[in-house]
Amino acid sequence: DAMVIQNPRYQVTQFGKPVTLSCSQTLNHNVMYWYQQKSSQAPKLLFHYYDKDFNNEADTPDNFQSRRPNTSFCFLDIRSPGLGDAAMYLCATRRAGGTDTQYFGPGTRLTVL
Amino acid sequence: AQKVTQAQTEISVVEKEDVTLDCVYETRDTTYYLFWYKQPPSGELVFLIRRNSFDEQNEISGRYSWNFQKSTSSFNFTITASQVVDSAVYFCALSEAQYGNNRLAFGKGNQVVVIP
Repeated sequence: DAMVIQNPRYQVTQFGKPVTLSCSQTLNHNVMYWYQQKSSQAPKLLFHYYDKDFNNEADTPDNFQSRRPNTSFCFLDIRSPGLGDAAMYLCATRRAGGTDTQYFGPGTRLTVL
Repeated sequence: AQKVTQAQTEISVVEKEDVTLDCVYETRDTTYYLFWYKQPPSGELVFLIRRNSFDEQNEISGRYSWNFQKSTSSFNFTITASQVVDSAVYFCALSEAQYGNNRLAFGKGNQVVVIP
């Protein structure tokens, strides 16, 4: 089945230690998104790629970076995680010009010690 | 200003009861899309339905039904004969053509607890 995959599902890192979260998709969608969701809150968009074009949200901290080496993969890099970065990170994809529906992966729950 | 309002934070129902989740949205776009997602305890956001602004037809899918009314800017969701597996957080969301449909404005979510 076509899907959005996120690895790992659970990630523990130390304060200040860089961490990379991974997202892959078999849907061949051209748009990929990263969201941050803190406890009991709605997901918050960090950035998205439209093909290779990177689009950062204005309030996304510089601590968060992203890479998209090809259509299938997208990475979220947190350069120096703080305690406030502990959250669920959700990847989503969309086929632009299609149904415009975003399909989400299972998420990676990040713990910062 | 919040674009999507889900007023009820937590709703508890006894199994087999019906539950309706209210969603009120705000937009100046004439072309927009409305969505409902389900987020079970596992964390994944599961797509339930998409509705575009030109299609006010209500929809039923099994025990789920949706009522879209542009006149009141509402897109309400009803679960009929609720089951324990329906326990989850449900998010209503809006995407607008002015942002290239690249942003989902989420409501705060409704935590539904179905009591056996």
